[in-house]
Amino acid sequence: SAVISQKPSRDICQRGTSLTIQCQVDSQVTMMFWYRQQPGQSLTLIATANQGSEATYESGFVIDKFPISRPNLTFSTLTVSNMSPEDSSIYLCSVEGGGGNVEQFFGPGTRLTVL
Amino acid sequence: EDQVTQSPEALRLQEGESSSLNCSYTVSGLRGLFWYRQDPGKGPEFLFTLYSAGEEKEKERLKATLTKKESFLHITAPKPEDSATYLCAVVQGAQKLVFGQGTRLTINP
Repeated sequence: SAVISQKPSRDICQRGTSLTIQCQVDSQVTMMFWYRQQPGQSLTLIATANQGSEATYESGFVIDKFPISRPNLTFSTLTVSNMSPEDSSIYLCSVEGGGGNVEQFFGPGTRLTVL
Repeated sequence: EDQVTQSPEALRLQEGESSSLNCSYTVSGLRGLFWYRQDPGKGPEFLFTLYSAGEEKEKERLKATLTKKESFLHITAPKPEDSATYLCAVVQGAQKLVFGQGTRLTINP
């Protein structure tokens, strides 16, 4: 399976600011995914990011709030904009297994606290 | 709409006490059901993929089974290091994963 890293691993931010989270994969992948895990909750898909095209957002998530970049096949960023305490969550990126497999492998996550 | 429901929400066992976790799902055209393990402060760790009813997979003390409506994760003679939250998910559409709420498993020594 792919090795996935995320930066930062955690951060504490002030209300109204923005944070960009990086996701790096050790192999080329077509699709990358961004999930949010709110405190005590399960994972919810924010968007799917394909290289060379606009990200596809799930219902309830918009590009102005969560802009995503996907400049190449091994890297993606998610920005959490104009943050409020409700954005305090763990943000996770994942990649498909490849070779026709549909399972996804997850990075270690970024724990965000907004004050 | 596709749904995944896990039970129980939390389970506390003694070391060596076997049990099962349940994942009930409703999905139009199952393309895969997944089990993950998540430790506090970490990302989910992939355990199993099940594709069709009757399929079973094993890994150490864990065994996952699948029927047309639900999946079970059987834990045999668990150890304290098996303590974690176990997540079940199904594929919706192209590759969106829909997760259940998870079962928080605690194994007491």
